[in-house]
Amino acid sequence: KNEVEQSPQNLTAQEGEFITINCSYSVGISALHWLQQHPGGGIVSLFMLSSGKKKHGRLIATINIQEKHSSLHITASHPRDSAVYICASRNTDKLIFGTGTRLQVFP
Amino acid sequence: SQTIHQWPATLVQPVGSPLSLECTVEGTSNPNLYWYRQAAGRGLQLLFYSVGIGQISSEVPQNLSASRPQDRQFILSSKKLLLSDSGFYLCAWSERNYGYTFGSGTRLTVV
Repeated sequence: KNEVEQSPQNLTAQEGEFITINCSYSVGISALHWLQQHPGGGIVSLFMLSSGKKKHGRLIATINIQEKHSSLHITASHPRDSAVYICASRNTDKLIFGTGTRLQVFP
Repeated sequence: SQTIHQWPATLVQPVGSPLSLECTVEGTSNPNLYWYRQAAGRGLQLLFYSVGIGQISSEVPQNLSASRPQDRQFILSSKKLLLSDSGFYLCAWSERNYGYTFGSGTRLTVV
């Protein structure tokens, strides 16, 4: 059974800090997704990656297939980055979700 | 471009009443469609997925059902809602080797 674990569960930061959120999964996957859920509940897909690293603006996602581990980094964090960040492993066409990391960035 | 529409955004329904949530996708054909639920304080859980018209797979035994009457339409239903059906419901679609796109969600409160 594939399980996805995230850490930390909650994270607070001061504006400008570098943020790292970690995700581990237990079985081989075809891709790993990072999602962002805002307080209203809407979910935005940030990254889908199966190897290496991807960057979009201040967000960077990395994955190590051998170690079954992925990280999401936010550089120069801003209060608008406050949200729940969710990683999800993809095997065939289904996603298995982590429980999310709640990030609060204070000015 | 591909878009996904989900409605209503919020819904308050009494116990025992029926439910119908609708999701439609534009800009793609034969997508995989999904219904997820997020109970308060918990992660997203897959309820149903569909790889084609009339093809529905259920992941979790429950009081809900799903239907796909058209290629780009996915409906979540219940004949009689329970209090435990309260939660945040998300529709999503994907294509092979492509990312997921999520609807804006429906917050259902059963009272």
